[in-house]
Amino acid sequence: GNSVTQMEGPVTLSEEAFLTINCTYTATGYPSLFWYVQYPGEGLQLLLKATKADDKGSNKGFEATYRKETTSFHLEKGSVQVSDSAVYFCALIITQGGSEKLVFGKGTKLTVNP
Amino acid sequence: SQTIHQWPATLVQPVGSPLSLECTVEGTSNPNLYWYRQAAGRGLQLLFYSVGIGQISSEVPQNLSASRPQDRQFILSSKKLLLSDSGFYLCAWTPEYTQYFGPGTRLTVL
Repeated sequence: GNSVTQMEGPVTLSEEAFLTINCTYTATGYPSLFWYVQYPGEGLQLLLKATKADDKGSNKGFEATYRKETTSFHLEKGSVQVSDSAVYFCALIITQGGSEKLVFGKGTKLTVNP
Repeated sequence: SQTIHQWPATLVQPVGSPLSLECTVEGTSNPNLYWYRQAAGRGLQLLFYSVGIGQISSEVPQNLSASRPQDRQFILSSKKLLLSDSGFYLCAWTPEYTQYFGPGTRLTVL
C-alpha cells in the first residue's frame, strides 16, 4: 500500500541550528511528494514539492530532494528561526477513485528557541 | 487567482445540535474538493471527497455527511453533534496534482 513515515517529534532546536526531519515513503509507482507546514492555529500551507526522482523542492530556506533509491524526502534547513516553529507534514499524492488523494505522515512538531 | 474559503472560522456548539460548515473555491471550475478533520495534537483524517456536483465519497463511517450543491461549494453537515466531533476541519482542493488547503474551521462541541 501507500504510506508515509516521518520522524516523530517533538524536535526542539536553538535558533540558527541545522534542521533535518526524516521522511520515507512506500508507494506504487512514482508519486509526487510534498512538505506542508502548519503554524499554530492555522491551516496547512504547501511548503515545497517534488514531482520526480532527483527533483529538489525548495522554499523559504527549506529543501528536500526526492530520492527514489532510498524512497526518502527528508526536509532540511541550514539555519532555523523562531518563526519556523510549526508542525511539518510529509505527504505523497496518489490517484484513487478518480480523484487525487494525499497520504500524510503523522507530523513533526518543531520548536525553535531564541 | 484561485482561492479557497471556509466559514465560520470558529464555532462552539452544544452536543446534539446540528452543524453546517461551508467551503467555496474561487477562480476555477469543477475542482476536486476534500474535507479533512484534525483532532487536537493529531494528524489529518480524510472525511469526504467530491469530484463533481452531487458526487460524494466517504472515507470513514461517522455521523457527518457532505454535500456539493454547486460546482465550487462543498458543505459538511451533521444532524446531531457528538463530543468527539470537536476538531479542526479543513477543506482542500487539488489543482494540477497539488493539494491546497483552506484556513480551517475550529469546532468545539460542549
